[in-house]
Amino acid sequence: AQSVTQLGSHVSVSEGALVLLRCNYSSSVPPYLFWYVQYPNQGLQLLLKYTSAATLVKGINGFEAEFKKSETSFHLTKPSAHMSDAAEYFCAVSASGTYKYIFGTGTRLKVLA
Amino acid sequence: NAGVTQTPKFQVLKTGQSMTLQCAQDMNHNSMYWYRQDPGMGLRLIYYSASEGTTDKGEVPNGYNVSRLNKREFSLRLESAAPSQTSVYFCASSEVFAGSGNSPLHFGNGTRLTVT
Repeated sequence: AQSVTQLGSHVSVSEGALVLLRCNYSSSVPPYLFWYVQYPNQGLQLLLKYTSAATLVKGINGFEAEFKKSETSFHLTKPSAHMSDAAEYFCAVSASGTYKYIFGTGTRLKVLA
Repeated sequence: NAGVTQTPKFQVLKTGQSMTLQCAQDMNHNSMYWYRQDPGMGLRLIYYSASEGTTDKGEVPNGYNVSRLNKREFSLRLESAAPSQTSVYFCASSEVFAGSGNSPLHFGNGTRLTVT
């Protein structure tokens, strides 16, 4: 079985500051990991995914995430926050042999001017 | 490109009424999903369909039924709506094949349902 924990339901950063959104996973088999972004009144859009090819994954809009097996983590980072990054971010886990995608509870990012 | 289309976008029901949420995808994906999103609880899987002709329960299936009408369409039915089913419902699809699990989900824009 898989599960995901996102630490911090709300994160605030200043414009231009580092963005760090935390995700820890639990999986009995090698996981596939995803980050999605949701803007108000919209569906979720894929930011990036880890499927075992490389531990450092680059996504859209300048985001990246690093898979750390020893820490069971897949934290999302962006070097410099922009006002347009304000949204809710979800981490999700899946695995080979399952059709299920399990989501975390989300982190709402606020960017301060 | 339409992607995943959900109808309706908004719905208000009274307790005990029934309704069907419609979902269609034009990406030739094998797998389709229904999630509900509630504040502070993330997305919870209601039902999924690994392929045409199959459906399976997710985390929170009680009070819902689904139909995989064909490869494109996957509907969610509330037979007797309850206030606890007030939520935002998302349909998603994926080209997941044979349980590979490594293809991302593609989401519709959601249906906002209020049950009074």
